Amino acid sequence: DIQMTQSPASLSASLGETVTIECLASEDIYSNLAWYQQKPGKSPQLLIYYANSLNDGVPSRFSGSGSGTQYSLKINSLQSEDVSIYFCQQNYDSPRTFGGGTKLELK
Amino acid sequence: QVQLKESGPGLVQPSETLSLTCTVSGFSLTSYGVNWVRQPPGKGLEWMGTIWNDGSTDYNSALKSRLSISRDTSKSQVFLKMNSLQTEDTAIYLCAREGGDDVMDAWGQGASVTVSS
Repeated sequence: DIQMTQSPASLSASLGETVTIECLASEDIYSNLAWYQQKPGKSPQLLIYYANSLNDGVPSRFSGSGSGTQYSLKINSLQSEDVSIYFCQQNYDSPRTFGGGTKLELK
Repeated sequence: QVQLKESGPGLVQPSETLSLTCTVSGFSLTSYGVNWVRQPPGKGLEWMGTIWNDGSTDYNSALKSRLSISRDTSKSQVFLKMNSLQTEDTAIYLCAREGGDDVMDAWGQGASVTVSS
């Protein structure tokens, strides 16, 4: 199985800051990577697919990048509604696997 | 409007079988696949399996021996059955639509399942 390692596990940032979350795959996943946002008490929501494609309705302050085994999610100008847990997920090979999650809080 | 809703028992006895239903609306099961994903309390997400729009299935090998996913397209329902439940199967079970870009583009609210005697 492809292992997905996310860092950091938790992150505290101030409103207006830029934050970056990293995701490392145990092998090349050829940009078959998605990012999901899970707000407290809610189900996950798709943010980004194919590493850098923004899902419909997702604010442009979110962006994804990366290739090969290394990927990142960047949030510009952090807003209060961005407090969530963020998961990466590879869909290159079965079983689809998720990263352990990054909990983003406001400082 | 795309919607998915999970339903099923909140409590299951150890060694028994879990049966869950995902009722969908706003799309057809013959056009989109549906995934099952679970999330143990305070932990991350685990993909369990997918039933594709053609009715074929794909399972996580870690669960394959215990898991079955099926559907009734006339009722817009997808079913999960998993046997030999143990306490570590306690989790929120979610169904999610398989979008056109190999991602889960819409999710249900989740069904909480506790395995306990």
